[in-house]
Amino acid sequence: EVQLVESGGGLVQPGGSLRLSCEVSGVPFNICWMHWVRQTPGQGLVWVALIDSDGSSTFYADSVKGRFVISRDNTKNTLYLQMNSLRAEDTALYYCVKDYFGSMDVWGQGTTVTVSS
Amino acid sequence: AIQLTQSPSSLSASVGDRVTVTCRASQGITSALAWYQQRPGESPKLLIYDASTLQGGVPSRFSGSGSGTDFTLTISSLQPEDFATYYCQQFNTYPRTFGQGTKLDIK
Repeated sequence: EVQLVESGGGLVQPGGSLRLSCEVSGVPFNICWMHWVRQTPGQGLVWVALIDSDGSSTFYADSVKGRFVISRDNTKNTLYLQMNSLRAEDTALYYCVKDYFGSMDVWGQGTTVTVSS
Repeated sequence: AIQLTQSPSSLSASVGDRVTVTCRASQGITSALAWYQQRPGESPKLLIYDASTLQGGVPSRFSGSGSGTDFTLTISSLQPEDFATYYCQQFNTYPRTFGQGTKLDIK
């Protein structure tokens, strides 16, 4: 069974930084493309970023470009999201998601990020 | 960015009803569309990809159709566990985008 377990969320002040992690098991991680998707309480889904299987290509939503960095460590089966210059509007539940030919077939349970003073 | 507009935004229906949700793209996306179900308190679940291909383990009462700019998700006979929010998502271009969601509740 494929499992994605996020961690690293928490409360951070505006302008601060946070790094999210996602441990992946049950699938050969080094061939998976991976996404981060976020969801604000009671609101819809927003795609954040995507990384290819070896980390050589990354893609970002305009709202996070230049502030967030998606990366991975295939030796540790772990996906990361480094979030800098955080804003109140970045407050959300962040999901780690496995790509499936463009769709998203496995989702973690999410980790909550709250940006507030 | 490609915008996806779902209609209706909310829908009330009864067990056994046939329900259709529409997703319209702001420009053509061939068949690069997926549908997800999200129950309260749960993570989204992939139902359909490539506009009409049912994900493994998804009941056959779910079906998808369309290409280009207009897509539909149909549930042929609603079951109690189907009351949830449904999202479409395009993967034709970057950035990936989702529709705003359609909340399906019990009449």
